[in-house]
Amino acid sequence: SQTIHQWPATLVQPVGSPLSLECTVEGTSNPNLYWYRQAAGRGLQLLFYSVGIGQISSEVPQNLSASRPQDRQFILSSKKLLLSDSGFYLCAWSSGGENIQYFGAGTRLSVL
Amino acid sequence: QKEVEQNSGPLSVPEGAIASLNCTYSDRVSQSFFWYRQYSGKSPELIMSIYSNGDKEDGRFTAQLNKASQYVSLLIRDSQPSDSATYLCAVNSGSARQLTFGSGTQLTVLP
Repeated sequence: SQTIHQWPATLVQPVGSPLSLECTVEGTSNPNLYWYRQAAGRGLQLLFYSVGIGQISSEVPQNLSASRPQDRQFILSSKKLLLSDSGFYLCAWSSGGENIQYFGAGTRLSVL
Repeated sequence: QKEVEQNSGPLSVPEGAIASLNCTYSDRVSQSFFWYRQYSGKSPELIMSIYSNGDKEDGRFTAQLNKASQYVSLLIRDSQPSDSATYLCAVNSGSARQLTFGSGTQLTVLP
């Protein structure tokens, strides 16, 4: 069966520090991968999605970036965090032929 | 801009009652519709998917879709306190396997 791993679970970072969040999927090949951010009490905002290695589409201009160095690995990065980057970051995957998305456990990021 | 709107809530129902959650969407070409449940502090989990007009039942959950009215709903029968969560409606957006999510409806089932 397919599983998705996301880490760390929580992270507290100072303003201006770098960020790297990692997500990996097991049990499937060539998944579509997604990064979302959820502000407190709000819906999910799609940040990036990828349909293959090295293929990244950005939905929202910001100081975040994403990379997909391997088929089942998706990384969210920032060179300098802002206070507004605080939130709940979720990685998700879907198979190539379906729209159903399955979520990782999420990373709660607090930028202080 | 493609939008998904959910009734704002919060919604409170007594244990054993039927909870009704509603969602409307703006993109007429959407073909796939999903309901996710999100417990506080946790990630969303899929509970229902529906692709055709009409009703789809899975245990205590029933999803209803009306593409002509651009409306999808979720009924939870015999509501339990463990159903207390935020329910997110999601609709596919275009060919890139993207989903647009509503802001969610918070449901509280009172014992």
